[in-house]
Amino acid sequence: DSGVTQTPKHLITATGQRVTLRCSPRSGDLSVYWYQQSLDQGLQFLIQYYNGEERAKGNILERFSAQQFPDLHSELNLSSLELGDSALYFCASSVGASSYEQYFGPGTRLTVT
Amino acid sequence: QQQVKQSPQSLIVQKGGIPIINCAYENTAFDYFPWYQQFPGKGPALLIAIRPDVSEKKEGRFTISFNKSAKQFSLHIMDSQPGDSATYFCAASLPYGNKLVFGAGTILRVKS
Repeated sequence: DSGVTQTPKHLITATGQRVTLRCSPRSGDLSVYWYQQSLDQGLQFLIQYYNGEERAKGNILERFSAQQFPDLHSELNLSSLELGDSALYFCASSVGASSYEQYFGPGTRLTVT
Repeated sequence: QQQVKQSPQSLIVQKGGIPIINCAYENTAFDYFPWYQQFPGKGPALLIAIRPDVSEKKEGRFTISFNKSAKQFSLHIMDSQPGDSATYFCAASLPYGNKLVFGAGTILRVKS
């Protein structure tokens, strides 16, 4: 167990809808990273937050947004969902802003129908 | 180039064998190379990692070999066990460790 928690475990929703995925980092970790894992794209970095501030951005669609709250938990918001957004979404955390060791949560499996 | 190329896609070995998974990169600015292990229904778990100033690192039955001039690195699993059956991902990070660039993954099956 990495100490990173994610909810919900599974999410099934329809196209056009909006969902929110939640992540709590390991105790003491200030950075949260979001990754998307799909069969065709593999594991792709989406975005990083450090101590409440956006730190780095990857291949994140404009329909997606994230934030990190004062208690350091993070939420990934996905809107106007398309079938192609069906994937596993992982959150990872690390101690500092530029920490190499990232610890992954169990993921949220999103199915868009 | 931000890619990390991983091979093979899948691998089957007998118990006790030494599976070897290879990765190659182009960007010489990468300065951290971790390997992750992922079981079905779980998140990737950090297994072992290496920096480019070291040619080999061992942790238990897992060894990373690193060839800086060839821009390649590989994972060796000594005395492999059925419990090692999982998907293995190599990755690389630029300085400041903001994001990991992952290989496509290798599905390993260790037959008992």
